[in-house]
Amino acid sequence: QQPVQSPQAVILREGEDAVINCSSSKALYSVHWYRQKHGEAPVFLMILLKGGEQKGHEKISASFNEKKQQSSLYLTASQLSYSGTYFCGTENFTSGTYKYIFGTGTRLKVLA
Amino acid sequence: NAGVTQTPKFQVLKTGQSMTLQCAQDMNHEYMSWYRQDPGMGLRLIHYSVGAGITDQGEVPNGYNVSRSTTEDFPLRLLSAAPSQTSVYFCASMHPGGVNTEAFFGQGTRLTVV
Repeated sequence: QQPVQSPQAVILREGEDAVINCSSSKALYSVHWYRQKHGEAPVFLMILLKGGEQKGHEKISASFNEKKQQSSLYLTASQLSYSGTYFCGTENFTSGTYKYIFGTGTRLKVLA
Repeated sequence: NAGVTQTPKFQVLKTGQSMTLQCAQDMNHEYMSWYRQDPGMGLRLIHYSVGAGITDQGEVPNGYNVSRSTTEDFPLRLLSAAPSQTSVYFCASMHPGGVNTEAFFGQGTRLTVV
């Protein structure tokens, strides 16, 4: 049931790009992306809604394929501060109620 | 604004002991949830609530109880702790279903069961 993220881990040099994928087996109302630093709570990055509306971040973008129930997070020109674990959060609406589940996570490390 | 307040931050329990993790939010969010975080497994949903008096099970509910008597509070109870419940626990709250939906997290509880 938990959305699967790929890759599980990635190491980059400063300035390089990365793509993180999130794939769900359930129909999704929206997808959110979070970044978690070690020992801290996850922090919201952006939301993508069914129908294409999104609200996000300057240097980070994402896509949401509703038919495939997949989302991708694009990190361009990575900075040291991008290091952390990234989670997709998926919102689905079934039996008249919302349910919010996180993906398996992707560990990202940016090296100088 | 306090946001989501989660206590305690650290706890060590002996096998078989019980305890309650507290979670309170002051944003009038109807949706509240508990997750556990284990290495390599992301954040897994334990229980969630869509409003006062309404709770439901998530992916890993066994060994945990919840109740929601008010909009603000959503405590998580471990009735008889087991070593398998050693984990980091997060409480979260949100307004679901809209463009401003965003999960707000408590600071986390690192629980060790010996």
